[in-house]
Amino acid sequence: KQEVTQIPAALSVPEGENLVLNCSFTDSAIYNLQWFRQDPGKGLTSLLLIQSSQREQTSGRLNASLDKSSGRSTLYIAASQPGDSATYLCAAPNAGGTSYGKLTFGQGTILTVHP
Amino acid sequence: GAVVSQHPSWVICKSGTSVKIECRSLDFQATTMFWYRQFPKQSLMLMATSNEGSKATYEQGVEKDKFLINHASLTLSTLTVTSAHPEDSSFYICSALDRGSPLHFGNGTRLTVT
Repeated sequence: KQEVTQIPAALSVPEGENLVLNCSFTDSAIYNLQWFRQDPGKGLTSLLLIQSSQREQTSGRLNASLDKSSGRSTLYIAASQPGDSATYLCAAPNAGGTSYGKLTFGQGTILTVHP
Repeated sequence: GAVVSQHPSWVICKSGTSVKIECRSLDFQATTMFWYRQFPKQSLMLMATSNEGSKATYEQGVEKDKFLINHASLTLSTLTVTSAHPEDSSFYICSALDRGSPLHFGNGTRLTVT
């Protein structure tokens, strides 16, 4: 059974700071790993999708890395802004799954960026 | 870009009644959709996989007779919570698979059963 853990559970930083969110997963036989953003009471926005053959993926100020052997992924946010405040979720395919859709989510990191 | 629309965004119903939630893919065909549930301060949990033209596949512990899923077309899946009880109060989110693209999620439905 896939288990996904995210650290820290919550993070509060001043605007402009660079930060790292951590995600670990137990079943490393994954085809990909995804990072999502969730605003309060809203659905999910896909941020980055890293294929198992990739070690990292970048989109704007976001950079996600994947180390399958150690079962870890990190999301790096550069020059954080108040608009980045949200819950960030890491998700890996269920154990033995290759579908993009059957995901196990971590508990999330609640990020607050204050001006 | 691809959009998944979920309706309603929130619903309040009395215990014992049934509630239907719709999930539509607006500009792509989704042969597969997924239904997740999120309890307060918890993460998303996969409930079931909805397959167009066939029966849904439910995750362990999810009652298929209570959570009825219908995927009658390539752009619409519905989740009906039958005989709802207060413990069914939750945030229900659907997602749709657009072949070759990341998963797209709806904005969720907040269900409150009184």
